[in-house]
Amino acid sequence: SQTIHQWPATLVQPVGSPLSLECTVEGTSNPNLYWYRQAAGRGLQLLFYSVGIGQISSEVPQNLSASRPQDRQFILSSKKLLLSDSGFYLCAWGGQGNEKLFFGSGTQLSVL
Amino acid sequence: RKEVEQDPGPFNVPEGATVAFNCTYSNSASQSFFWYRQDCRKEPKLLMSVYSSGNEDGRFTAQLNRASQYISLLIRDSKLSDSATYLCVVTLVAGFKTIFGAGTRLFVKA
Repeated sequence: SQTIHQWPATLVQPVGSPLSLECTVEGTSNPNLYWYRQAAGRGLQLLFYSVGIGQISSEVPQNLSASRPQDRQFILSSKKLLLSDSGFYLCAWGGQGNEKLFFGSGTQLSVL
Repeated sequence: RKEVEQDPGPFNVPEGATVAFNCTYSNSASQSFFWYRQDCRKEPKLLMSVYSSGNEDGRFTAQLNRASQYISLLIRDSKLSDSATYLCVVTLVAGFKTIFGAGTRLFVKA
């Protein structure tokens, strides 16, 4: 069966520090991968999605970047965090062909 | 205009009530449609897919109207455990983008 791992669960970082969140998927190949952010009390904002290794589409200009170095690995990064980067970050995977998404357990990021 | 719009809520209903959520989407090329459920501080989980013919899963019924670009979710005989945020989700054909609505909060009270 397929599983998705996302870590860490909670992260507190100072303004200006770097960020690296990692997500890995097991039990499937060539998945579509997604990074979403959810601000407190708000909906999910699509940040990046990837349909293959090295293929990244960015939805919102911002202080973040994403990379897909391996088929089942998706990384969210920032060189210098801003206060506005705080939020609940969710990684998700989906099958090819517009199928449903399955989410990791999320990372609650607080930038202070 | 947002790509996916939902009733803002919150909906406060007693146990046993029937409650309906509505959702509209702006891109006529949208291909797939879903309802997700999200509990507080947890990841969203798929509740059900939505098909043009309408579909039912126990107490939950979903409807899709492509002409009006409208999706609905009906919950019958509400349970306390149905309290959550319900997210309307649309996937576009091109690029495999999946867009979430802001969600509708439901509180079911005894």
